Amino acid sequence: SQQGEEDPQALSIQEGENATMNCSYKTSINNLQWYRQNSGRGLVHLILIRSNEREKHSGRLRVTLDTSKKSSSLLITASRAADTASYFCSFQGAQKLVFGQGTRLTINP
Amino acid sequence: SAVISQKPSRDICQRGTSLTIQCQVDSQVTMMFWYRQQPGQSLTLIATANQGSEATYESGFVIDKFPISRPNLTFSTLTVSNMSPEDSSIYLCSVIVYTEAFFGQGTRLTVV
Repeated sequence: SQQGEEDPQALSIQEGENATMNCSYKTSINNLQWYRQNSGRGLVHLILIRSNEREKHSGRLRVTLDTSKKSSSLLITASRAADTASYFCSFQGAQKLVFGQGTRLTINP
Repeated sequence: SAVISQKPSRDICQRGTSLTIQCQVDSQVTMMFWYRQQPGQSLTLIATANQGSEATYESGFVIDKFPISRPNLTFSTLTVSNMSPEDSSIYLCSVIVYTEAFFGQGTRLTVV
C-alpha cells in the first residue's frame, strides 16, 4: 500500500484538551508533513519536519519524528472548536508525496 | 510558494462519459501530481505528470482510464474516462516546491 498508517482514525475531545495523532510509515523519507482538511475543502499545510529533526513546534502544534521507529506524532494543545477537521500525515520519498489514512478530529464545545 | 487554479470545482456527470480536469500553476514546476480522494478516505496518488514525457502511474491506475496531458511546465489535465459511479471522488492536483506540497482546491466529481 502506498499509504501510511494513522491512529486513531477518529478522535473526539472537549475544547481545551490536547489532541494527539500518530503516523507510521514504511519507507525511507526525506521529510514528513502534516496537513489539515476541513470538510469538503482543500488541504492546508501545517508543519514540515525533516528526517534529521526530532521535534518541531509551530504555535499550538508540536510534531515529533522518530526515524528509527518510522513514526511521527502531531500534538495540538489547548484545542478549539475550529480545530475540528481531518488531519493527514504525508511523507516524501523518491520525489512523490504519499499520505496517511487520516485522523478525523472533533472538538466538542 | 505556489498557487494552483483547478477547475471545474465540481461536476455531476452521466456514467459512460468523460471529464477533463485542468490545473494551472503560477510558476514553472517539473512535476505535477494527481490524487484521488474517495468519500471519507485519504488521498491516493494516481500519477505523476512530467513535462515532455508520459505520466508515471501508480499501481491500480492505468493510462486508458486516466489519461494525463502535460503540455508545458505550468499546466496539466487529468481525464476521467468512461466514468462509473465508483469514480465519484474528489480529484486534486499538487506540486512540490522546496519540499512543501501545494494543492488545488479539488474537483468534486459525482457520477450518476
